[in-house]
Order: sequence, then C-alpha cells, then structure tokens
Amino acid sequence: QQQVKQSPQSLIVQKGGISIINCAYENTAFDYFPWYQQFPGKGPALLIAIRPDVSEKKEGRFTISFNKSAKQFSLHIMDSQPGDSATYFCAASRSAGKSTFGDGTTLTVKP
Amino acid sequence: KAGVTQTPRYLIKTRGQQVTLSCSPISGHRSVSWYQQTPGQGLQFLFEYFSETQRNKGNFPGRFSGRQFSNSRSEMNVSTLELGDSALYLCASSTQATNEKLFFGSGTQLSVL
Repeated sequence: QQQVKQSPQSLIVQKGGISIINCAYENTAFDYFPWYQQFPGKGPALLIAIRPDVSEKKEGRFTISFNKSAKQFSLHIMDSQPGDSATYFCAASRSAGKSTFGDGTTLTVKP
Repeated sequence: KAGVTQTPRYLIKTRGQQVTLSCSPISGHRSVSWYQQTPGQGLQFLFEYFSETQRNKGNFPGRFSGRQFSNSRSEMNVSTLELGDSALYLCASSTQATNEKLFFGSGTQLSVL
C-alpha cells in the first residue's frame, strides 16, 4: 500500500514559470512533510519541510502549501530556472519513524 | 563537516553472490537509514539503526541485513544476490532522535549480472 502518492511523474516548465508538484498521504499520524531535491549522480538533499500545524511555508523561491483536511501538500517553485532541473521527492514521517517517499517528479526547466 | 560517505561507489556482482556496502554518517549523527532506489519504485525503505539498534524495518526479504557500529558507521549486506537487486543503495544519517531531517550520501550503484 503506497502511503504517499506524488504527481505528476514528469514536468516541463519554461524558464521564469511556476512549477507545481503535488503529494497526497494516507496516514494521519504523519507529522513531518519534507521535500527533497536530487541531481543526477547525487543523493537527495533536503529542500524545505513543513509540519501540519501551518498551512504554508516559504523559503526563497520554494513554497510548501499544506492542506491537512485533504491530506495533501504541494511544492511550488516560483521563477523556475534551468538549474532547478532535477528530480523532486515528497516524503512523510512521524517521530522516530521511517520516512516514506513519493515516487518522484522529474522537472525540466527549458531556457 | 564531512557529509555522508558511502563506499564503494559502484559495484558489479553476479547472481548468487553476496555484497557488503558501507556508510559513514556525518560526525555526531546517531541514526542511519538505508534506502533502495530504482527507476520504477522510487525510494524504498530498508531499515534504520539508532545507537547500534535496529529501530525501524521495511518490507524486504531476510537476504537484506544491516548493522551499526559503536562509532555510528553502518554496513548493509545482501546475500544470494538476484537480478532484481540491481539498484542505487542510499544511506542517510540524521542527528535527531526523531529521525526527520535526512542527510543522504551519493549512494552505491549495485549491478547484478
């Protein structure tokens, strides 16, 4: 049973555009929702994270929107740049538990 | 501060063999998790060790095992390799007992022929 569903699988955006990636979770015990960015040949790196007591968190061009009632959260990348081209993973976890990852979204930002 | 170090970077084995992968976490990190990454399955959780004890375990067969040493370094072993074990194996360490923020190594790419 997949506990974190991520969409879309791939995304192509023009430079300067907004990239949006969505995730849905099932386990209401999850209390930490991070996004990771992975470049080819590298391991995933933590990008931004949110807890369910807030509805939005912004760090630079990256924003997480969180909807607790719908059990959904999304990553918005404003003013997308070619350097943002990477694979993005959402994840969910609860204290001292494992992190469960979505299947990933390959983002391509065209110049 | 050095990041998470995984060795070897690449490994080629044949079916039936066994393999041991190594992970050195960031200094001070006591939690080490292992993930299998494949193009079709994303990141699948294998197990997590905290202070030398296995704290969480994923749904992998018993051929996959691990351990953690007193210096927090961890090893993962796969016995009787199968073609389907070909994957990138990622190690992640965390400074927190809550095991939330994960710091990943670059992984070991295992190819089983």
